[in-house]
Amino acid sequence: KAGVTQTPRYLIKTRGQQVTLSCSPISGHRSVSWYQQTPGQGLQFLFEYFSETQRNKGNFPGRFSGRQFSNSRSEMNVSTLELGDSALYLCASSLTGWNTGELFFGEGSRLTVL
Amino acid sequence: DQQVKQNSPSLSVQEGRISILNCDYTNSMFDYFLWYKKYPAEGPTFLISISSIKDKNEDGRFTVFLNKSAKHLSLHIVPSQPGDSAVYFCALRMDSGAGSYQLTFGKGTKLSVIP
Repeated sequence: KAGVTQTPRYLIKTRGQQVTLSCSPISGHRSVSWYQQTPGQGLQFLFEYFSETQRNKGNFPGRFSGRQFSNSRSEMNVSTLELGDSALYLCASSLTGWNTGELFFGEGSRLTVL
Repeated sequence: DQQVKQNSPSLSVQEGRISILNCDYTNSMFDYFLWYKKYPAEGPTFLISISSIKDKNEDGRFTVFLNKSAKHLSLHIVPSQPGDSAVYFCALRMDSGAGSYQLTFGKGTKLSVIP
């Protein structure tokens, strides 16, 4: 079955702009999580959505937001971009149960802020 | 303050030998422990996991060990193969309440297996 799909794969923005990233989870998966990966900090949890509701949020400023649609697809938005927002943004999906803790990751969206 | 540490940013191992990757944590609330592998330009892929009620889990060439008293997790790969060359992340799960779980990742160890 198709994996987690993230679009766009690469994008370049300038400081002050905003960006929207999209994630389509594996069919049947209802939980979508977002992570930011940077060389200095590794993978850091942004937020998790389940059935269109944000269930959990990491320690990021309010400029980072997200939403989930009824078909489980998710978007995340970053407003007023800063240079430090340059990173690989990873989306991961899972079944609701989380019995094994396993997440299935997409290939990521590489954001460069100039 | 880092809750999860992978103290070796890189590791080089000869093909056929054992690779040992380590992960230390500070929070005893973690209840499930996972290892992910990541190739360049790809997302992390799940490798192996272990529940907090066990101390060892084996899957083919991969074995994960958990020492809860020492708050230490390790991944053994034997024998190592060139295709194992990748960045390995340990990821620790914590119940965040309301049915939600959160993974806390280490910063990764880049494994290079030399033919």
